[in-house]
Amino acid sequence: KQEVTQIPAALSVPEGENLVLNCSFTDSAIYNLQWFRQDPGKGLTSLLLIQSSQREQTSGRLNASLDKSSGRSTLYIAASQPGDSATYLCAGGASGSRLTFGEGTQLTVNP
Amino acid sequence: EAQVTQNPRYLITVTGKKLTVTCSQNMNHEYMSWYRQDPGLGLRQIYYSMNVEVTDKGDVPEGYKVSRKEKRNFPLILESPSPNQTSLYFCASSFLTGTGDNSPLHFGNGTRLTVT
Repeated sequence: KQEVTQIPAALSVPEGENLVLNCSFTDSAIYNLQWFRQDPGKGLTSLLLIQSSQREQTSGRLNASLDKSSGRSTLYIAASQPGDSATYLCAGGASGSRLTFGEGTQLTVNP
Repeated sequence: EAQVTQNPRYLITVTGKKLTVTCSQNMNHEYMSWYRQDPGLGLRQIYYSMNVEVTDKGDVPEGYKVSRKEKRNFPLILESPSPNQTSLYFCASSFLTGTGDNSPLHFGNGTRLTVT
């Protein structure tokens, strides 16, 4: 069964810093991987989706990569801002219909 | 506005009293899914549906039922709720491509259920 681990569980950085969030999974037969953001009291918002045939996706200051052989994905946030403060979750699975979520990294960007 | 709408947002009920949490999406998505989120356990999939009249169990289906009679609606039914079903519930939806890939998942804002 797929297990997804996110390290660190919490991260606090000063504004402007570049940072990397990590996601590791146990089953390399991962189909696609998604990164989400969750704000308090809200649902999850999709940030980046790496399809099965891809290795990387970029959107604005965000870049996500996927290395199936090592069982890892990273989310890179450039020039962090206080508005980036949220919990970031990754999710992957052996099929598009069965996603396993990590517990998330709670990010705080301090002004 | 494209969205997934869940109702109610908050619900307090007693053990054994049947309840339904509704989920509706206006994006014509084929795929819909229910998750529960618990501290220390993260998000776990309850049931999902690939299209109308097609539903499958996720990782934690016990105590739950779903139906998919229409493409836009995917209600979650708790026939006899118990305190261990106290949780934050999310509905999500997406397109499915011809290759089986998903488009990004769209989530509702959640339903916080308390069973006493």
